[in-house]
Amino acid sequence: EVQLVQSGAEVKKPGESLRISCKGSGYSFTSYWISWVRQMPGKGLEWMGRTDPSDSYINYSPSFQGHVTISADKSISTAYLQWSSLKASDTAMYYCATSSSAWDFDIWGQGTMVTVSS
Amino acid sequence: QSALTQPPSASGSPGQSVTISCTGASSDVGGYNYVSWYQQHPGKAPQLMIYEVTKRPSGVPDRFSGSKSGNTASLTVSGLQAEDEADYYCSSYAGSNNVVFGGGTKLTVL
Repeated sequence: EVQLVQSGAEVKKPGESLRISCKGSGYSFTSYWISWVRQMPGKGLEWMGRTDPSDSYINYSPSFQGHVTISADKSISTAYLQWSSLKASDTAMYYCATSSSAWDFDIWGQGTMVTVSS
Repeated sequence: QSALTQPPSASGSPGQSVTISCTGASSDVGGYNYVSWYQQHPGKAPQLMIYEVTKRPSGVPDRFSGSKSGNTASLTVSGLQAEDEADYYCSSYAGSNNVVFGGGTKLTVL
């Protein structure tokens, strides 16, 4: 079964750093891009960026460039999303998703809830 | 970049058809055949329902169909069922390796 399993919920303070993960299984991890999508509480979906796990090429949405870092480690079939200094406005559910065709997201992780509060 | 425009809500009775619109620009919806639609039930991850404007992934009922005219894409749900009640989001490739989503539409089955 093709699946993406994300790391668990996090509660952090403003200014702290954080890295969340997304582990792929049931398919060739390097064959498909992995994207990250943000959903703030009660709000819609926002595409953050994506990585090609085969060569670690990354591109970011202009809205998120410079605010987060996307990476992947193909040796352990895992993609990451990280922050160096969290803000309260980073509080959201974060999903990873694969793209087996061009620009759609066909397999989604279960989501990681990140709460940033003092 | 601006999000695509969707109506906040839509509704229909069981068995009826409902169409949800997704309006963008020539730089996204109108310029590429990479419009997708996602269904999201409360507390769940989104699920792909339509990709590349009209294509359905395996397992998605043929009651769901997609289309596009100019800068507006549409999702039609025919033969509405109670389990179709959910939030629906469109997305489109927007050039320069970027994707934009719509604001979402809450579909209520009356």
